[in-house]
Amino acid sequence: DTGVSQNPRHKITKRGQNVTFRCDPISEHNRLYWYRQTLGQGPEFLTYFQNEAQLEKSRLLSDRFSAERPKGSFSTLEIQRTEQGDSAMYLCASSLDPDRPQHFGDGTRLSIL
Amino acid sequence: AQTVTQSQPEMSVQEAETVTLSCTYDTSESDYYLFWYKQPPSRQMILVIRQEAYKQQNATENRFSVNFQKAAKSFSLKISDSQLGDAAMYFCAYRSAFWGQLTFGSGTQLTVLP
Repeated sequence: DTGVSQNPRHKITKRGQNVTFRCDPISEHNRLYWYRQTLGQGPEFLTYFQNEAQLEKSRLLSDRFSAERPKGSFSTLEIQRTEQGDSAMYLCASSLDPDRPQHFGDGTRLSIL
Repeated sequence: AQTVTQSQPEMSVQEAETVTLSCTYDTSESDYYLFWYKQPPSRQMILVIRQEAYKQQNATENRFSVNFQKAAKSFSLKISDSQLGDAAMYFCAYRSAFWGQLTFGSGTQLTVLP
């Protein structure tokens, strides 16, 4: 069990640029979740996958955001035309099944200049 | 929609003492799970304890225990014999039995004083 891995750890970009984050869940974990956490707040749900199927998306996930999990293993979260308000920590979590606890990665911190 | 409220932004406790963190939630569902997660500075979120709503017995994990009051929609965390390593941001979280995502409170920053 190597834990949930997220890359990069930090991303600094200019407003208007596109960014992509990667999450590698714990092996054999079918569920994969994305959350966003702003400073001093609790994480907010963005979307989750059961294997390769994206089962739910939050209304926070505007059309500039897209997430994929093409082979049911790793997942990517892309933000197009980044805005100042996108600055946050993006957390990935995985679980073996819906009833098992979610294990979190270290997150990717996004800073928009 | 479910909401989770943590009314204590900051708490402090003396080492070896006991502290209780408060959490209330709002839901119309009868079947759900409640969690406490710990997030040390610049480190990943770690599950501390979990409670199934259908269980009347309060969950316990070593020095951590909860007081689950379903009718009052209250879910507090008690940390006994506090240690310096307990210092962290603590989040209360809710998960429906039907949906996978967690709904988090705004967190309580716990400081442990030596």
